[in-house]
Amino acid sequence: KNQVEQSPQSLIILEGKNCTLQCNYTVSPFSNLRWYKQDTGRGPVSLTIMTFSENTKSNGRYTATLDADTKQSSLHITASQLSDSASYICVVSSGGATNKLIFGTGTLLAVQP
Amino acid sequence: NAGVTQTPKFQVLKTGQSMTLQCAQDMNHEYMSWYRQDPGMGLRLIHYSVGAGITDQGEVPNGYNVSRSTTEDFPLRLLSAAPSQTSVYFCASSYSIRTSATDTQYFGPGTRLTVL
Repeated sequence: KNQVEQSPQSLIILEGKNCTLQCNYTVSPFSNLRWYKQDTGRGPVSLTIMTFSENTKSNGRYTATLDADTKQSSLHITASQLSDSASYICVVSSGGATNKLIFGTGTLLAVQP
Repeated sequence: NAGVTQTPKFQVLKTGQSMTLQCAQDMNHEYMSWYRQDPGMGLRLIHYSVGAGITDQGEVPNGYNVSRSTTEDFPLRLLSAAPSQTSVYFCASSYSIRTSATDTQYFGPGTRLTVL
């Protein structure tokens, strides 16, 4: 069964600190992996998209890594800010005719002053 | 560009009522889709469309209808609302759905629906 699992479920860090969120997937075939940020009460916003051949991609203070062999990805946030408080969702695309997206349940990050 | 817009933001229905959630995008995107988001679950695909006049079912289509008469609009109709349809609904669009597409998917702000 195609699944995307994220850990931890929730995380509290102090402003200025770094953190890493994890994503494990069992999706086949694999096309690409995406990380989204979802602020409370808003729709998800794309942070990064990585294909099979890419093992790292950055977007400002956000850096995503992908290990296609172990089917793991991580999202590293550097020098966290209060505005980073949100849910971070890992999504894996299985490609194919419908390019099906399988969503993880997200990691809820709270950045405290 | 307004991006993806959804109306209404909030809605309360009684069991058995019908309603239409509106979704529009101004980016000339081929692919549009509807998701529902429930606590503790990932977003689940309800219906999607790969272009005007073409729609198909997603993972959880029962109780919902869609149509795509124009590129811009993709309304979602609840035929006879049930409490199990209480959820947050998101509309999304991207340029294409071709195999291995890495197009950015843009989400609307969501509609929070409560069915009593």
